[in-house]
Amino acid sequence: DGGITQSPKYLFRKEGQNVTLSCEQNLNHDAMYWYRQDPGQGLRLIYYSQIVNDFQKGDIAEGYSVSREKKESFPLTVTSAQKNPTAFYLCASSNPTSGRETQYFGPGTRLLVL
Amino acid sequence: QKEVEQNSGPLSVPEGAIASLNCTYSDRGSQSFFWYRQYSGKSPELIMFIYSNGDKEDGRFTAQLNKASQYVSLLIRDSQPSDSATYLCAVNNDYKLSFGAGTTVTVRA
Repeated sequence: DGGITQSPKYLFRKEGQNVTLSCEQNLNHDAMYWYRQDPGQGLRLIYYSQIVNDFQKGDIAEGYSVSREKKESFPLTVTSAQKNPTAFYLCASSNPTSGRETQYFGPGTRLLVL
Repeated sequence: QKEVEQNSGPLSVPEGAIASLNCTYSDRGSQSFFWYRQYSGKSPELIMFIYSNGDKEDGRFTAQLNKASQYVSLLIRDSQPSDSATYLCAVNNDYKLSFGAGTTVTVRA
């Protein structure tokens, strides 16, 4: 089955701790994205990558880092610099074609601070 | 001004009625428009996309786009309890999507 997987489903972070969220896709999509969703709000873009070994900051990149060493994988690290990390984190992927690409989402990771 | 704005909810409709959801966007250069459905605690799933002015129908869903007015809408005909969810409007902007805050729809039996 083709799709996007995210792990873990729930993640607990202690103060001062870095945590990494996993995102894997087997759709052969070139582009991958990380969003954050807070209660009652839409999705906000954290980072995106259109090709392996390249990525760009989104609207709220501060306190986060990413890597794109493989086409299938786009892990997100929430660093201790992110002071309000509690949110629902969504990974998406797409095949960009002339700006008409459709993004498909993984099941999400819910991050909570202890 | 927010890039993508949706009509504030929640929207409550009786079963079998039409639910009408509206979305306006600020970037005139946007070329593609998407509607996602998100059930509580779940990730968004694509319902429809539309690129050209006019209507696009898929089953009980109809998307309408008016680029001159920078307006896109979603109609849900014969609403069912399973349609109860939050609907997110998304607009393409230079290979990125900008999302509205969503409109929560409740279909009452």
